Amino acid sequence: QKEVEQNSGPLSVPEGAIASLNCTYSDRGSQSFFWYRQYSGKSPELIMSIYSNGDKEDGRFTAQLNKASQYVSLLIRDSQPSDSATYLCAVIHPGGGGNKLTFGTGTQLKVEL
Amino acid sequence: DTEVTQTPKHLVMGMTNKKSLKCEQHMGHRAMYWYKQKAKKPPELMFVYSYEKLSINESVPSRFSPECPNSSLLNLHLHALQPEDSALYLCASSQDALMINYGYTFGSGTRLTVV
Repeated sequence: QKEVEQNSGPLSVPEGAIASLNCTYSDRGSQSFFWYRQYSGKSPELIMSIYSNGDKEDGRFTAQLNKASQYVSLLIRDSQPSDSATYLCAVIHPGGGGNKLTFGTGTQLKVEL
Repeated sequence: DTEVTQTPKHLVMGMTNKKSLKCEQHMGHRAMYWYKQKAKKPPELMFVYSYEKLSINESVPSRFSPECPNSSLLNLHLHALQPEDSALYLCASSQDALMINYGYTFGSGTRLTVV
């Protein structure tokens, strides 16, 4: 069983629309949750972090966490073509020797003109 | 300085070569990491260094040998690699491996090709 799961997509949305990205995780001991954006051929870039249940907003981005359902989501409002990238959900969970940041498989987002 | 710097950006090596990847950060972070990323796959954790000591080795083959000379530097020594080891190697750092409320900052990566 994969530890962090995402729909691989591609998810296509028109410019100006809301993009909704979802992630589930299997380890109830997971403690911190992150969304990274990765453009093709580039390294992951941290865009959002969330640690407690509820919503967290930062500009056009809103992260949502529901620990009871083991579910994390990312909403991107007013989507722009420059938002086209792969979005990686990542989770910190305790492991032997220390905490580990584990990534989901990523969702490819395409914002169309 | 909020960057993690990796060198070289690209590396082509033969299966009998020995090479090293280098990573440097000056953010005062005390945890550093090596990840491997194959095409269209997520990054996979290889090693964790906490306060300059190796704390996690994710069962990585011994042809990969990490080294942390000081709190700012992290190396990955490569020897007798296989073509399937070709990948993007990412270095990352964070405040502290035991602190959970900080994301990792990634370097731009080294694109490794083994021929």
